[in-house]
Amino acid sequence: EVQLVESGGGLVKPGGSLRLSCAASGFTFSSYSMNWVRQAPGKGLEWVSFIISSSTYIYYADSVKGRFTISRDNAKNSLYLQMNSLRAEDTAVYYCAVHGYRESGSSNWFDPWGQGTLVTVSS
Amino acid sequence: QSALTQPRSVSGSPGQSVTISCTGTSSDVGGYNYVSWYQQHPGKAPKLMIYDVIKRPSGVPDRFSGSKSGNTASLTISGLQAEDEADYYCCSYAGSYTYVFGTGTKVTVL
Repeated sequence: EVQLVESGGGLVKPGGSLRLSCAASGFTFSSYSMNWVRQAPGKGLEWVSFIISSSTYIYYADSVKGRFTISRDNAKNSLYLQMNSLRAEDTAVYYCAVHGYRESGSSNWFDPWGQGTLVTVSS
Repeated sequence: QSALTQPRSVSGSPGQSVTISCTGTSSDVGGYNYVSWYQQHPGKAPKLMIYDVIKRPSGVPDRFSGSKSGNTASLTISGLQAEDEADYYCCSYAGSYTYVFGTGTKVTVL
């Protein structure tokens, strides 16, 4: 069974930093691209970042570009999100999600998802 | 990237059909056949319901179907059931491995 477990969330002051982790199991992590998606309290979903299986290609939403860094360690079956210069508007539950898993098609979907980790940016 | 536009809420009685629209632009929904739909119950992670506009993952009931015309994609739930009450989000590929989600729609089963 595929499992994604996020960790590293918490309360941080504006301008601070935080590193999120996503531990993957139950599938061949090194074969799949991964994403981070966030959801502000009571709001909708927002795609944050994508990393290809080999880490060769990385993309970010404009809202986090230059402040967030996605990375992965295939040997440890882990995905990371380094978040710097945090702002109040970064407050959200952060989900990791597999890119294009299991079904046959374009791979342009997110499934499955972790349970999320809450990041709160407040003074 | 602006969020795709969805109605805030739709409702229907058990057994009825409801359709949720998702309107974007030619740079996202209209430009690619890569629209996916997600169901999210309160406090839970999203779940994939439709991918590549019309395809249904294994395990998703066939009462869920997707379509697209121009810059608008749609999710139809036929034979509405109580467990379908949830928030639904569309998502479209927007080029260069970037993605944009919809504003979300709350489905209420009356």
